[in-house]
Order: sequence, then structure tokens, then C-alpha cells
Amino acid sequence: DAGVTQSPTHLIKTRGQQVTLRCSPKSGHDTVSWYQQALGQGPQFIFQYYEEEERQRGNFPDRFSGHQFPNYSSELNVNALLLGDSALYLCASSRGSLREQYFGPGTRLTVT
Amino acid sequence: AQSVTQLDSQVPVFEEAPVELRCNYSSSVSVYLFWYVQYPNQGLQLLLKYLSGSTLVESINGFEAEFNKSQTSFHLRKPSVHISDTAEYFCAVSLSGGYQKVTFGTGTKLQVIP
Repeated sequence: DAGVTQSPTHLIKTRGQQVTLRCSPKSGHDTVSWYQQALGQGPQFIFQYYEEEERQRGNFPDRFSGHQFPNYSSELNVNALLLGDSALYLCASSRGSLREQYFGPGTRLTVT
Repeated sequence: AQSVTQLDSQVPVFEEAPVELRCNYSSSVSVYLFWYVQYPNQGLQLLLKYLSGSTLVESINGFEAEFNKSQTSFHLRKPSVHISDTAEYFCAVSLSGGYQKVTFGTGTKLQVIP
């Protein structure tokens, strides 16, 4: 049983560009949450998707958007990248309302 | 809104010594509590959780945490640490009921000294 997978593992972008990160949830999970983890910080909640809808959102600007597909996989899109967007982006999946989340290895985004 | 405080950013401890990593939360309603561990260049792994029932919860690798409602704490303990326990540990809280987001603390780096 594959756990949560994310792609790519590393990414380097230039300021102003756009980026798309991808996540496949653990088998049997239908809820995907995205987190941003800056260096030396704890993960910060970006948003959560369930049944292809954004269910909750943290304090992130509209430059951060997402999508969930019918197979429960998800994408995180960030537009107009800023240097401050450099971070490890973590995807976590869970089943329904259960709060036990399983995390992927993350995508390391560097904005230059 | 809920919040989590991990006062210790780094905790050095000698191998086979006991350790306690502190976590305090703030919430006016009932919560779920979690400890996650993050090894270098990896994602987070759930170590243990408190949802309801017994206030003392244990992990398979010897860690335990006790939910103390009166002190709003969920400290993580291990009676004897190993080199392999060197990692960063995150405490997290979520409001119980419904679909609630999980809020993480800033983490505590546990460094086990040989």
C-alpha cells in the first residue's frame, strides 16, 4: 500500500513564475490538506480539499490555489512567486473527518 | 482559534537519559492532540494522538504523552532515548468535531548525544 506521494521532490523557480505541485493520497483516503513549512518553522495550514471542494483555508493569499480530482489526488498552484514562498510544501491525506493525517515527503520549492 | 506553544526549540540529552518535550495548547473547546516526528529531509510521521478516553497515550517506540486538561498540556516523554530518536518533534492541535484544521507548533529539535 503506497503512502502519500508528492511530485516533484525539488523545484527551483524564479520570482514571478507559477508553480504546480502534485499529491496522491494514501489508498482509501479522500481528504487532502496542504501545508507550507518554512525553514525552522512548523507546518502552516494552506487549505484542505474534500469531494473536489476547498473545505477550509488558512491565512494564505489568493495566489495559492488548489484542485482535487475525482481520484482524490490534488494539486497546489502558486502564482506570482515571491522569494518568501521558498519552503517545503507538504501534502497530508486523511479519511473523512478523521484528524489523523498521513504526510508525504514534501516538495522543496526554492524561489530565486 | 486554537494555538500550540512549544517553548523549547532545542533539547540536547545524553543517550539512555530520560527526556520531556513540552507542549501547551490554547483552546476554549475540546481538542484533539498529536505529536509528529520529522527526520531530516523527510515528511512528518504521526507519533501518537489523543482523541478521547485515557489521558495517557503511548507510541510503539517507547514515547508517551499525557493529556492534562487543567494545565492545557500534552508533554511528550521517553524514559530512555536512543541515538535514532534524534529528530524534530511537532506538537499539533485540532478542535474536536466536524472538519477542523490541524495547527502545529514551531517544533522541538531533540539531539541525542552519544
